[in-house]
Amino acid sequence: QTVVTQEPSVSVSPAGTVTLTCGLSSGSVSTSYYPSWYQQTPGQAPRTLIYSTNTRSSGVPDRFSGSILGNKAALTITGAQADDESDYYCALYMGSGIWVFGGGTKLTVL
Amino acid sequence: QLQESGPGLVKPSETLSLSCTVSGGSISSGRSYWGWIRQPPGKGLEWIGNIYYSGTTYYNPSLKSRVTISVDTSKNQFSLNLTSVTAADTAVYYCARASYYYCYMDVWGKGTTVTVSS
Repeated sequence: QTVVTQEPSVSVSPAGTVTLTCGLSSGSVSTSYYPSWYQQTPGQAPRTLIYSTNTRSSGVPDRFSGSILGNKAALTITGAQADDESDYYCALYMGSGIWVFGGGTKLTVL
Repeated sequence: QLQESGPGLVKPSETLSLSCTVSGGSISSGRSYWGWIRQPPGKGLEWIGNIYYSGTTYYNPSLKSRVTISVDTSKNQFSLNLTSVTAADTAVYYCARASYYYCYMDVWGKGTTVTVSS
């Protein structure tokens, strides 16, 4: 069973830069997995931030960026703001119409 | 837009049935998968499965034996059936559209809470 790994919690200072990662329990994440990133605040549906590794969804501020760093997908927030405090999930496309979500990262801005 | 509907309470061992109505576009466009994701209380997102408008289905291997997703193109709806439910199936259930070409969930429903309890 494929496991997608994310940091359980990360903190960042206001105006700081933070990188969240998305890895595989076995193997490396590449663009072939079409990494996507979702932001979720309590009680709300997820909001799509990034798709196909590094393409921002419509309306997403450019302080959010996606990339491959080493063997993981990464979401970088540059100039973090208080309302970036959320849960962040990555999803990897495994092929054959199947996706797997990571366990999520709780981002604290303090 | 996507809108989930269905019972908020299901008894253990029974079948959970939800529908998702698609508005503002055709479910038969061929550019999208249509699927379900759930989130147990205080936990992360879990992909349940997708369906293509042709009826081809794709399921999470861990749920495959209990899940059926179907599509009704005449109603612009798709549905989820999850059999033999237990308390572990208590969750917020989201329907979502996934881009066929870019392989990501691009539109989400607001979610509906389903509790499994007698």
